Amino acid sequence: GESVGLHLPTLSVQEGDNSIINCAYSNSASDYFIWYKQESGKGPQFIIDIRSNMDKRQGQRVTVLLNKTVKHLSLQIAATQPGDSAVYFCAEKNNQGGKLIFGQGTELSVKP
Amino acid sequence: SAVISQKPSRDICQRGTSLTIQCQVDSQVTMMFWYRQQPGQSLTLIATANQGSEATYESGFVIDKFPISRPNLTFSTLTVSNMSPEDSSIYLCSVEGQDEQYFGPGTRLTVT
Repeated sequence: GESVGLHLPTLSVQEGDNSIINCAYSNSASDYFIWYKQESGKGPQFIIDIRSNMDKRQGQRVTVLLNKTVKHLSLQIAATQPGDSAVYFCAEKNNQGGKLIFGQGTELSVKP
Repeated sequence: SAVISQKPSRDICQRGTSLTIQCQVDSQVTMMFWYRQQPGQSLTLIATANQGSEATYESGFVIDKFPISRPNLTFSTLTVSNMSPEDSSIYLCSVEGQDEQYFGPGTRLTVT
């Protein structure tokens, strides 16, 4: 079946550095992708999204890149802060039923 | 935006018993979702619950094990029946808002 997976399960960065979290998806029919942040003891929180008619979208300190040719999604966090420490999930919106399919998750650890 | 609360926030239960998890939303929503997040894993959709109709279950999940109620547009319950240690997970309620999908804080269930 379709799946959304991540290349790196853990990522450790120094405070102030940029972070890049990667994700691969398998359903070429998906047209909507979302990045979520999940802090310990909390539910996932929306960070940024992108539709398949775009290849880049920027938010505050975050940028999502979409490469449909290789079915690859990435989340870039600029000037990473200790508060960015969390697990990050990519998710794919199923355009035939509205169901979110989640990737495995990457745990981001920011060292002060 | 939507604010979602869940009860209980956590519980420790004995195998063979059942637990009902409540989800309350601060606004009326059509679609509500129940997810399971096993330890160290990503989120897996259990079922979609629409008010006034039977819940739609994903592959691998059945109504006898996870009965769901959706009595109105702001409330839903998920019951985990005849629990075993393999049911130890975080159970999350989610709703589809206008712009994004929101998640509750989750219910952390431990089955001994």
